[in-house]
Amino acid sequence: ETGVTQSPTHLIKTRGQQVTLRCSSQSGHNTVSWYQQALGQGPQFIFQYYREEENGRGNFPPRFSGLHFPNYSSELNVNALELDDSALYLCASSRDRVEGYTFGSGTRLTVV
Amino acid sequence: QKEVEQDPGPLSVPEGAIVSLNCTYSNSAFQYFMWYRQYSRKGPELLMYTYSSGNKEDGRFTAQVDKSSKYISLFIRDSQPSDSATYLCALESSGDKLTFGTGTRLAVRP
Repeated sequence: ETGVTQSPTHLIKTRGQQVTLRCSSQSGHNTVSWYQQALGQGPQFIFQYYREEENGRGNFPPRFSGLHFPNYSSELNVNALELDDSALYLCASSRDRVEGYTFGSGTRLTVV
Repeated sequence: QKEVEQDPGPLSVPEGAIVSLNCTYSNSAFQYFMWYRQYSRKGPELLMYTYSSGNKEDGRFTAQVDKSSKYISLFIRDSQPSDSATYLCALESSGDKLTFGTGTRLAVRP
């Protein structure tokens, strides 16, 4: 069983709306990353947090934002949803590089 | 040119076959190399992790890295129908961000 849980599992939103996706990672995993995976593609890096600080960002616009809390929970917020935002959103956490990253099962977002 | 190239497949093999999955990359800054397995409607699951050139074996799985050629491989011996999934290579530079290939879909026929 994965140590990373994501909610909700599925979500349908209308273009222009805002959405918040949630992730709960394992205790001690201070690095949390979010990825977007379009159908038939590999995951694309959105941003990463070390503890509560953002320490890396991919090629995504500012309407993609996040928060990471001391209790190892995280949020991905997307404003002004576009049809192309429809994808599987993955949260991944790591204690350190030696162990690699553990991914959650993802939230499948559909924008209509 | 993409930083990481991976043949999307699909790849179909009979049960018991040896499977070879490959990725090439262009950025010499990549230092850490991973293979993930992803079942339908699930998140990626880490299979292999390595950071040096050469081979690393874990059960039926062998990861191979050739930094001079910028080429990584995953071999699956005695493939099983339960190995049917999408296999993703993932590479990491010192910035901790993972760069993924597009994934190869594998089907193992009973």
